[in-house]
Amino acid sequence: AQSVTQLDSQVPVFEEAPVELRCNYSSSVSVYLFWYVQYPNQGLQLLLKYLSGSTLVESINGFEAEFNKSQTSFHLRKPSVHISDTAEYFCAVVGSDKLIFGTGTRLQVFP
Amino acid sequence: KAGVTQTPRYLIKTRGQQVTLSCSPISGHRSVSWYQQTPGQGLQFLFEYFSETQRNKGNFPGRFSGRQFSNSRSEMNVSTLELGDSALYLCASSSQGATEAFFGQGTRLTVV
Repeated sequence: AQSVTQLDSQVPVFEEAPVELRCNYSSSVSVYLFWYVQYPNQGLQLLLKYLSGSTLVESINGFEAEFNKSQTSFHLRKPSVHISDTAEYFCAVVGSDKLIFGTGTRLQVFP
Repeated sequence: KAGVTQTPRYLIKTRGQQVTLSCSPISGHRSVSWYQQTPGQGLQFLFEYFSETQRNKGNFPGRFSGRQFSNSRSEMNVSTLELGDSALYLCASSSQGATEAFFGQGTRLTVV
């Protein structure tokens, strides 16, 4: 069965510093991967996704993720974070026609 | 284009009662999925409806049920509520299955 692992439950970082949120998935023939963000008391917002093609995918707010088949990873990165990036981030994979989520990483950005 | 609308946003119920949550998908989307989010179990898939038929189901007891209407609006029902049912219930709508899911704001259910 498909699964994803987010190794870091919390990532504290200072504003304007770079950040990486790690995600590893169980291998499969076809992999569809996602990063969602959740702000307090809100639903999930799609940040970016990998379905096929270029292994580097970008979001409109400066985040990027790279699909690495050999390392079965889909880490999320941002070169310079802002206070407003404070949120919970979920990595997800499609398995059995449904989204399977990781346990989430709480990104806390300090001034 | 309006997003996914879930009502109500907050609910407080007593153990043993039942509750119905509603989800209106994005116009034109025929697939509606439901997820439960708790601090202990994280995000778990409940079920998916497509064109009024349950197409996929997660591993939840029969107290959790759902349905979809001809206008694609969906409801989920939880009977005989337990304290452990306290959670954020999220609805997602899609036109292309799980690869294109848009989530609502969720309904926060508290069972006391």
